[in-house]
Formats: sequence, structure tokens, C-alpha cells
Amino acid sequence: GAVVSQHPSWVICKSGTSVKIECRSLDFQATTMFWYRQFPKQSLMLMATSNEGSKATYEQGVEKDKFLINHASLTLSTLTVTSAHPEDSSFYICSGLGAAGNTDTQYFGPGTRLTVL
Amino acid sequence: SQQGEEDPQALSIQEGENATMNCSYKTSINNLQWYRQNSGRGLVHLILIRSNEREKHSGRLRVTLDTSKKSSSLLITASRAADTASYFCATAPSSNDYKLSFGAGTTVTVRA
Repeated sequence: GAVVSQHPSWVICKSGTSVKIECRSLDFQATTMFWYRQFPKQSLMLMATSNEGSKATYEQGVEKDKFLINHASLTLSTLTVTSAHPEDSSFYICSGLGAAGNTDTQYFGPGTRLTVL
Repeated sequence: SQQGEEDPQALSIQEGENATMNCSYKTSINNLQWYRQNSGRGLVHLILIRSNEREKHSGRLRVTLDTSKKSSSLLITASRAADTASYFCATAPSSNDYKLSFGAGTTVTVRA
């Protein structure tokens, strides 16, 4: 099946620093990538949708200046959490859309656990 | 935003038994998908059922969809310890809108 990777798998940072998370589709070209966050024992909440070469579309309540998304190629999207604070600690998961034969199925990465001290 | 609700929230069964979980949603959909998430991991796509389909099978999984009741069920037959995970339903609103709205999830524990 289609494979999506994320890097890093976990990161601990100090309050006020910025953290970049990479999402890569390894064996397909993801025309669209999605970023979600998940708090412990809760469901996934969509943060933003990114299409290659265009600006990301953010969901209501998500600060675009805080969560910078760049979708520079059909296989790479990055999420940068700027000036991170403890309340940004969460599990961030990306997904890619566009795998051949399953164009309407999102394939998810393994997630990145962010802990802000 | 979250549109689906799942029940039960948690389910504990013996290995070999069947596990059934339900998902209800509020608005019309193009398709409904089920995902599995092992603790602290990403999501694994299990099955997609379209709005014009009523039932779909994949191995030990059986999914039904009742659009009149806006509900779906996932049945795992002959459960195994490896099926222990959280299961989420997710709905896609239309054929050209791929954003998924996830349900709250059902945590399944299969006892050996």
C-alpha cells in the first residue's frame, strides 16, 4: 500500500522555539496532504489542507501564523510550529492523498509526538 | 470539525469473539472510511464504503452503511489479540471534498 513517513517521530523542545515536522509520501505523489493533531485519548482534528504549490487552507480556529505549512513538492509537506508553548504539545499526524488506484483514500504517517517544556 | 459519534467508547472481548462498533454521522456523505490506530501510532486504513453501497467485506472485517439512518457499523470476526487498537470512522462529504471528519473512536481490547 501507499506509505507516508514523518520525521521526527518525537521531539522535545523548550517553550518559545520552533519545530519543523516533515511528512513524505514515499511511493506515490500526494497531490494533497492533510495535517491533524490528536490529544491523548481523543480523535483527530483536522488542522489544515495543503496542495502542492499553493497556500494551505486552515480550519477554523487554527492560527496560520503559528502553524506554518509548506507543500513544496508532490512528496513533501512540512509543518512548522512557531514559538511553541506547552499547550502545543500534541500528536501531529499527516496524511497524503493521491495514491494510484485509491485516489480518495488518505494514507497516514506514523505521527510525531511534540512535547514543549 | 468532528461529525461522527461512535459507540461503544470502549469494548473488551475474549479472543475469538466478534467485535461490533457503530458510527453515526450528521450530514450527507460521499463515503465513509474506517481506520485503526494502535497506541501512539498513525492510522491504518481498513475499508472505504461509498454512499451507494450497503455492505463491504475485507478479510475478517465487515462494514455496513445505512444512509437513511446515517450510521455505519464495523464488525471484526474471530478477533485476535493483535486487533487490540482504537477504531475510528471518518466521513468524506462529497466527491470533490476529501477532508475527513473523524468520530470519537472505539477502543477495543481483545483478551487472550
